Parts: sequence; C-alpha cells; structure tokens
Amino acid sequence: GIQVEQSPPDLILQEGANSTLRCNFSDSVNNLQWFHQNPWGQLINLFYIPSGTKQNGRLSATTVATERYSLLYISSSQTTDSGVYFCALGDYQLIWGAGTKLIIKP
Amino acid sequence: DTAVSQTPKYLVTQMGNDKSIKCEQNLGHDTMYWYKQDSKKFLKIMFSYNNKELIINETVPNRFSPKSPDKAHLNLHINSLELGDSAVYFCASSQLGDTQYFGPGTRLTVL
Repeated sequence: GIQVEQSPPDLILQEGANSTLRCNFSDSVNNLQWFHQNPWGQLINLFYIPSGTKQNGRLSATTVATERYSLLYISSSQTTDSGVYFCALGDYQLIWGAGTKLIIKP
Repeated sequence: DTAVSQTPKYLVTQMGNDKSIKCEQNLGHDTMYWYKQDSKKFLKIMFSYNNKELIINETVPNRFSPKSPDKAHLNLHINSLELGDSAVYFCASSQLGDTQYFGPGTRLTVL
C-alpha cells in the first residue's frame, strides 16, 4: 500500500519564524490534503493539493506529484499555529502520515 | 451552523458495555467516514459510506457497526467495549474523493 512519511516529526520555533514541513509518499495519487490538528484536538483542512501550489494567508503548500512529495510552508509563525500537521492522501480512502508536531514559543 | 457534528464529545464507560456515537453533516456531502485516532495521534480509517452504501470497511472488530440512515448521518455502534477501544473517534464528510471535513471528535474512555 501507499506509504506516507512526514518530516520532521517535531519542530520547536520562536514566534515569527518560518518553517517548512515535508510529506513524502510512495505512489502517485490524485488526492493530497494537509490538515492541522490544534491543541484542542480539532482537525482542520488546510489544503487540497494534488499538484501545484496554493496559498492561504501565511500558509502555502506545494505538491510535486511526479517526485512524490509535498511541502507545507508556514511564514511568520504565531502561537496559534501550534499543533500537529498531517498530510493524507488517497482516492476514496485517505492514508495518513504520522504528523509533524509543531510548537511555537512566544 | 456546525458543518459536521458529533455526539457525545466525551464518553466514559465500563468494559463490556454497548455505546453509540452519532454524526451528522449539513454540507450536502455524499460520503461520510469514521476514523480512530490512537494515543500516539495516528489516524486510521475505519468505515466509509457513499450515498448510504458502505464503500470502505477496514479491518476492525465486528463489535463495531456503522449505520447510515440517510446521507447526512453516519452513526457508530460499539458492542462489548474493551480497554483497547479507548481513543478519539472522528467523523468526517466529503464529496467522494474531495476535501474532507471533520467533526470535533468523541473521546471514548473505557474503564
């Protein structure tokens, strides 16, 4: 089956810093999504990005499907960005990475 | 105007009991899902229904039985609860193959 690997597993940054989270996958897929799980447990969809680049405020994502990776960029981090970031992919059934735990210190 | 809602938010029960978790979505989506998130935050699909038809049924114990009375609802019934069932259960919905939207989760604790 499809393997999904995320890196780094943990990331601690000061407020205002920029970060790049990576998602590698083992097979080509039509559907890749990035999610943020906040410290209260809520899962929020950030991007649906099977290919190309999208931006939403301080967050942007790029997927290079031919090279089987996706990157999530967070600029000017805020403490509210803390939480776990997951990438997930598949068609009818999402396969999830283990997540990157991000802590933003004030 | 909650998009995907789950009840209850917390569920504490004894081993051997039977319990249900309800999920409703008002997004007009045709597909609904149940996920289990373990203590290490790993998310795994359990079931998926498309237009009330089961399309994904992962290897879960048959003590877990989903029921979809209509496209907007997908309930999860669990018989004979075990300690290992303790987890957070998430409901989600989407148009098939599209962005998934998650409910707030139900934290199940089996004592």
